[in-house]
Amino acid sequence: GAVVSQHPSRVICKSGTSVKIECRSLDFQATTMFWYRQFPKKSLMLMATSNEGSKATYEQGVEKDKFLINHASLTLSTLTVTSAHPEDSSFYICSAREPGGDSDTQYFGPGTRLTVL
Amino acid sequence: GQNIDQPTEMTATEGAIVQINCTYQTSGFNGLFWYQQHAGEAPTFLSYNVLDGLEEKGRFSSFLSRSKGYSYLLLKELQMKDSASYLCAPSDSNYQLIWGAGTKLIIKP
Repeated sequence: GAVVSQHPSRVICKSGTSVKIECRSLDFQATTMFWYRQFPKKSLMLMATSNEGSKATYEQGVEKDKFLINHASLTLSTLTVTSAHPEDSSFYICSAREPGGDSDTQYFGPGTRLTVL
Repeated sequence: GQNIDQPTEMTATEGAIVQINCTYQTSGFNGLFWYQQHAGEAPTFLSYNVLDGLEEKGRFSSFLSRSKGYSYLLLKELQMKDSASYLCAPSDSNYQLIWGAGTKLIIKP
């Protein structure tokens, strides 16, 4: 299957700082990438859909000024958590949709565990 | 509305067979995915069904009935490493995956 990388895998930061998470599709070009967050033992929650070259589409309740998404190329999307607070601590996972074929399968990155102190 | 219904937790024995059922309601339908998620890790793709019937892939098989809004994932020859959560995710009319909480599968020796 297609490979998606995510960096960093784990980050600890102080309250008020900003954190950037990168998501890369390594062996395919992804016109669409997705950002999710997941709390322990809870389902994945879609935060936003990122389309290359255009503004991201945010889900209801997700602050676009707090979670900045940039999808500047067909293989890279970034999520920046601005002015992070302890309640932003979570597991952030990106996925990239492999185009073509019948399924448009989403492949996930390994995730980033964010801890805000 | 859109929703997914899967058992919260299942237990099975190593070497046995287990079937994880999923019923769903979505606005439109563009196939159904099954993902495996180990604790603390991101989901990994297992299977995709868009037509009715059974798709077999090694020890894992997935079945779909669109008219019933029903799918199942069948795991054979269970191994301890199969202990994980299994997520049923239908794709709606916008090709957006709808996620439930998944089924936690516990394998016992």
